Amino acid sequence: QKEVEQNSGPLSVPEGAIASLNCTYSDRGSQSFFWYRQYSGKSPELIMFIYSNGDKEDGRFTAQLNKASQYVSLLIRDSQPSDSATYLCAVWPPSGGYNKLIFGAGTRLAVHP
Amino acid sequence: DTEVTQTPKHLVMGMTNKKSLKCEQHMGHRAMYWYKQKAKKPPELMFVYSYEKLSINESVPSRFSPECPNSSLLNLHLHALQPEDSALYLCASSPGTSGGVVTQYFGPGTRLLVL
Repeated sequence: QKEVEQNSGPLSVPEGAIASLNCTYSDRGSQSFFWYRQYSGKSPELIMFIYSNGDKEDGRFTAQLNKASQYVSLLIRDSQPSDSATYLCAVWPPSGGYNKLIFGAGTRLAVHP
Repeated sequence: DTEVTQTPKHLVMGMTNKKSLKCEQHMGHRAMYWYKQKAKKPPELMFVYSYEKLSINESVPSRFSPECPNSSLLNLHLHALQPEDSALYLCASSPGTSGGVVTQYFGPGTRLLVL
């Protein structure tokens, strides 16, 4: 079983819609969760991080964490064509574990006009 | 400021060359990372330096040699690379490697082509 799983997509949404990106993780004790956006040929850019159960909002982006169900999601409201990119979910393992980010394979988002 | 800089942006090298990639951050971060990323794959961790000491080596071939001269600088020395080493090499830094300070910020990367 992969440690961090994401649907590879592409997830296609019309401009102005809500894009919902999902990620599940296998290590129940994981502590910190990150969403990175990566445009083709560019480096990953941090979008959001979340540590506590519930929602965290930043502009058009909302990260949702449910530790009991071991999933984290990213909602993008009012999606724009400029949001078209690959979104990487990354999880930091429990303390005392191997100290490195575990990345999912990424979900490709395509926002069409 | 959450900037990590990397030089060069692009590098083409032959299999017998020796070259170095450089990374710099001035955020006071105490952890720095090298990743390798192939097309359509997530970043793959190579090395972690924590407080200027190598803390993780992900069984990377010895043709890649990391160096951390000080808390702001990270180098990756390359020697006798293979064509399959062609990739985007990413540097990242974070305030620390435990607790709530593990958020990593990536540099723009060096696109490496080995001929």
